[in-house]
Amino acid sequence: AIQLTQSPSSLSSSVGDRVTITCRASQGISSALAWYQQKPGKAPKLLIYDASSLESGVPSRFSGSGSGTDFTLTISSLQPEDFATYYCQQFNSYPSFGPGTKVDIK
Amino acid sequence: EVQLVESGGSLVQPGRSLKLSCTASGFTFGDYVISWVRQAPGKGLEWVGFIRSKAYGGTTEYAASVRGRFTISRDDSKSIAYLQMNSLKTEDTAVYYCTRLYSGYVSAWGQGTLVTVSS
Repeated sequence: AIQLTQSPSSLSSSVGDRVTITCRASQGISSALAWYQQKPGKAPKLLIYDASSLESGVPSRFSGSGSGTDFTLTISSLQPEDFATYYCQQFNSYPSFGPGTKVDIK
Repeated sequence: EVQLVESGGSLVQPGRSLKLSCTASGFTFGDYVISWVRQAPGKGLEWVGFIRSKAYGGTTEYAASVRGRFTISRDDSKSIAYLQMNSLKTEDTAVYYCTRLYSGYVSAWGQGTLVTVSS
C-alpha cells in the first residue's frame, strides 16, 4: 500500500503569509494526487486534483505542484478563511490520505 | 445541485451490526464510483472502501481494517448506496462520509453520520 506523509503536521501563520505544505508518497504516483481542506465539524473540500489542477470555484491563491513522490500545496497569501486542516490523497493504487496538516493563527 | 445524504448512524454495542445509507441527488448516480470515508474523533481521514459503477462491473474494494466485516452495495434505481457494518469494534467509532469519486478524487461529500461503538 502506498503511504503518504505530510510536513509539517501543524503550523502557525499570519494573514497574508505564504504557506507551503509538503506531501511525500512512499512510491511514485505520477500526478495522481489531490489536496483537500477541512474545517472543524465539516466535510473536506477538494482544492487541487491531478497534483496541480485547481478545482472549480477554488481561489487562485491555492496552487499545487509536484509529480512522482514529492508534492506541494501553496497558499500564496493566507486569508482568515484558510485556517483549517489540509490533507493530501493519492489514487495511483488503492486510495489513501495523508495524516493532515493543521494551519492555525499565529 | 449534487447532494449526498447519509443516514443510519447511531450508538451500537461492540460485535453488533449497523447499516448506513447514502441517498444521492443532482447527478446520474449509476455513472459514478461511490466510496465511504471515515474519520475517528480528532483523527484524520481513512478510506473504508468503494464500489465501482455497473459499467465497470460494480465491484468493490475495502481497506484491510474492515475487509470481511463491511460490505458496500448500491441500488442505482433508487440512487442509494449502503454500508453494511458487521462485527463492529470500538475502533470503528467515527463519522462516516459517503463520497462520489471522479477520476480517483472525491468530487462530492455527504455531511457525515456518526457511528459510536461502545458498551
